[in-house]
Amino acid sequence: QSALTQPASVSGSPGQSITISCTGTISDVGTYNYVSWYQQHPGKAPKLMIYEVTNRPSGVSNRFSASKSGNTASLTISGLQAEDEADYYCSSYTRSSSWVFGGGTKLTVL
Amino acid sequence: QVQVVQSGAEVKKPGASLKVSCKASGYTFPIYYIHWVRQAPGQGLEWMGLINPSGGTTSYAQMFQGRVTMTRDTSTSTVYMELSSLRSEDTAVYYCARDKGPYGDYYFDYWGQGTLVTVSS
Repeated sequence: QSALTQPASVSGSPGQSITISCTGTISDVGTYNYVSWYQQHPGKAPKLMIYEVTNRPSGVSNRFSASKSGNTASLTISGLQAEDEADYYCSSYTRSSSWVFGGGTKLTVL
Repeated sequence: QVQVVQSGAEVKKPGASLKVSCKASGYTFPIYYIHWVRQAPGQGLEWMGLINPSGGTTSYAQMFQGRVTMTRDTSTSTVYMELSSLRSEDTAVYYCARDKGPYGDYYFDYWGQGTLVTVSS
């Protein structure tokens, strides 16, 4: 199972919006709505930010939103804040009854 | 409150085996699957497999089949991940993570703090 494809890095200024893409295949993102996004700060465990394509767990800011079209999922962060600087990973359930992650995207807040 | 606490860092020699523990508390242990995910230095996340703590059934990623074994001890609410025939490429932080919903879900909401495993001669 190949990793989902994410851009290696994105950046934005405070207050701006950024979008991170996550491209899979018909065997994962394209078939299942079991797509999630995780935020990881250096040296810390990942944190669930989005599940089931668009849903935010309790406590996650509504500045985080997500969507999916075909084989590509996207995470948008609006009103960028310094604390958003982190690595972001998408994940999907797959036709092989396994899970696959994206390669990760480093977000830099300028 | 839900807590997932892993065992400490380990240094292993190539060819050896590794066993990492993951102790859960604050919820009904048997009904939430536990996954194992690893992260090599500077790299992304990699799903290794899962265990259903209720019956002990497991599902492993193909690349780890034959080398990984996940078990549980319901009396102590602890899950174990054993990886054999270690090689340098297995150097990574190993995480356990709980399913978000009971009886099988697709997302991981509570993560352990991670266990750094270094494989070196």
